[in-house]
Amino acid sequence: GAGVSQSPSNKVTEKGKDVELRCDPISGHTALYWYRQSLGQGLEFLIYFQGNSAPDKSGLPSDRFSAERTGGSVSTLTIQRTQQEDSAVYLCASNQGEVNTGELFFGEGSRLTVL
Amino acid sequence: GQNIDQPTEMTATEGAIVQINCTYQTSGFNGLFWYQQHAGEAPTFLSYNVLDGLEEKGRFSSFLSRSKGYSYLLLKELQMKDSASYLCAVTDSNYQLIWGAGTKLIIKP
Repeated sequence: GAGVSQSPSNKVTEKGKDVELRCDPISGHTALYWYRQSLGQGLEFLIYFQGNSAPDKSGLPSDRFSAERTGGSVSTLTIQRTQQEDSAVYLCASNQGEVNTGELFFGEGSRLTVL
Repeated sequence: GQNIDQPTEMTATEGAIVQINCTYQTSGFNGLFWYQQHAGEAPTFLSYNVLDGLEEKGRFSSFLSRSKGYSYLLLKELQMKDSASYLCAVTDSNYQLIWGAGTKLIIKP
């Protein structure tokens, strides 16, 4: 597509339920990032995929969080047993560079609310 | 630890000039980015500095001093649509992007 696409745009769930957030990056972009942004806060790095390399999972806050990227394109971020502190906007971004020297293109984000 | 500091909020008047500062302490440096983020929207790229000096792009300019660990974003001829958060981010020696918390800019008529 023309831009980074994320779904759902809004998700309300009950504490303890699992959620899946999807990101469809710009075609041809080999790098894909997931970030979390709480209200009024900066971007918190979660995970980074680059081509066929092993992902950098160093930012995942707990083992309830996982992500995969199938076929080097679409990525899914899964949060198991959601907690209220997981409420945030989850942003996906992609670029075509091998390292962080290029512009990141962000999706509109998925706003997660855990009741 | 790694740290990016920028003011939480700034207010300026339409038509005026505003300078948003960013200081950083990171393990190495491979470039500094400025992004704009309107409320409820995705961040969008404004500028990238890797060498010292001023980069000008229309009404927006970005300055970098690597020796001082300092950058600023200069916005001229402010317009109401410039009301947004401005995020500073630095690429460290491992090419990890470290993000500041953002500066919320409020433009008053």
